[in-house]
Amino acid sequence: DTAVSQTPKYLVTQMGNDKSIKCEQNLGHDTMYWYKQDSKKFLKIMFSYNNKELIINETVPNRFSPKSPDKAHLNLHINSLELGDSAVYFCASSQDLEGISYGYTFGSGTRLTVV
Amino acid sequence: AQKVTQAQTEISVVEKEDVTLDCVYETRDTTYYLFWYKQPPSGELVFLIRRNSFDEQNEISGRYSWNFQKSTSSFNFTITASQVVDSAVYFCALSYNTDKLIFGTGTRLQVFP
Repeated sequence: DTAVSQTPKYLVTQMGNDKSIKCEQNLGHDTMYWYKQDSKKFLKIMFSYNNKELIINETVPNRFSPKSPDKAHLNLHINSLELGDSAVYFCASSQDLEGISYGYTFGSGTRLTVV
Repeated sequence: AQKVTQAQTEISVVEKEDVTLDCVYETRDTTYYLFWYKQPPSGELVFLIRRNSFDEQNEISGRYSWNFQKSTSSFNFTITASQVVDSAVYFCALSYNTDKLIFGTGTRLQVFP
């Protein structure tokens, strides 16, 4: 059973298009994240949600909008795609109890290529 | 500021050699968590270990071992008797206040037969 699943795995699209990446976790975790990995393999957080509430928004362009319909899902919508948006996007989830972090589980990533 | 430094960009070894990947972190928090992740060529991020700031015991798991030293703010990772399947990018990461993960820039390990 996949713990954190992302779809699609690959996404090729033209500049200016709008696209979405979906993420679902079946771990019962309260917090979900989107990370971006650029061409140099650098991983950086974009957003985090805790129980459907936005917690972190790390200076990401307004063209990126996360949506969390419930705590098991965190989707990423990207409007007016640009060449620089090409990257691998990872969804992750974590469970924290009483201030103790129990680790993060990552999805397999979505490779977005903007042409 | 919180920061993770992996000074080794790329390491190449021959199979059966031991290799140590360095990780140095910066944080003002007294409670924090350190992680190592492996990213094989297939691209997924594989969790290897989590260590909290109050547990400085070294850990060994098969051919993998970790050396956590608060005095030098380091959390180094050693692979003993490396194998070709160990070839991957390895990331050290820091988490504080049960918040986001801050990743180092990664170390690419190539193990040649």
